[in-house]
Amino acid sequence: ETGVTQTPRHLVMGMTNKKSLKCEQHLGHNAMYWYKQSAKKPLELMFVYNFKEQTENNSVPSRFSPECPNSSHLFLHLHTLQPEDSALYLCASSRALAGDNEQFFGPGTRLTVL
Amino acid sequence: QQQVKQSPQSLIVQKGGISIINCAYENTAFDYFPWYQQFPGKGPALLIAIRPDVSEKKEGRFTISFNKSAKQFSLHIMDSQPGDSATYFCAASIGETSGSRLTFGEGTQLTVNP
Repeated sequence: ETGVTQTPRHLVMGMTNKKSLKCEQHLGHNAMYWYKQSAKKPLELMFVYNFKEQTENNSVPSRFSPECPNSSHLFLHLHTLQPEDSALYLCASSRALAGDNEQFFGPGTRLTVL
Repeated sequence: QQQVKQSPQSLIVQKGGISIINCAYENTAFDYFPWYQQFPGKGPALLIAIRPDVSEKKEGRFTISFNKSAKQFSLHIMDSQPGDSATYFCAASIGETSGSRLTFGEGTQLTVNP
């Protein structure tokens, strides 16, 4: 185990549903990330949080809403998604130190939008 | 704009052979080049990483070769084993105090036949 957990592992939702993905890290890190992984595409960085503050929103549609209540927890709130949003959503964490770039990933949530 | 290009998309190697995966980058400000390994149902995990002040780094059967002038780096897996069958991602980032932003390649699906 990497020390980063994600729940649920699988999620099926309709386009009108509202759901949330949860990520928790037990590594004492201060930076947390959401990535989208689609088949045959590079991992896409969605959001970066550093010490609970959002430092990057990589042009993500507003139907994805992140929340970081503390340095150990990260949520991704989903509403009115589209079928093309079906993907593996990965959470990662790292130390927020210059020159310390290693990110530790959770196992991901496999999301299917019907 | 794809800043890190990875090839090949898939690779089949016999047990005991050498697996070679290549990446090319565009941004000369990148100063950290990791390789991640991902097994089905798992998140990516750091395999080995290099910084541009060295041309090669070896850890066990895994070696990164780095060519700064050509803006290319590659992963060599010596004595490939069936257990190495996974998807491999190269990445690049710039170390920042607000957490690192990894730019990933498209991934290479490696299959090692017994």
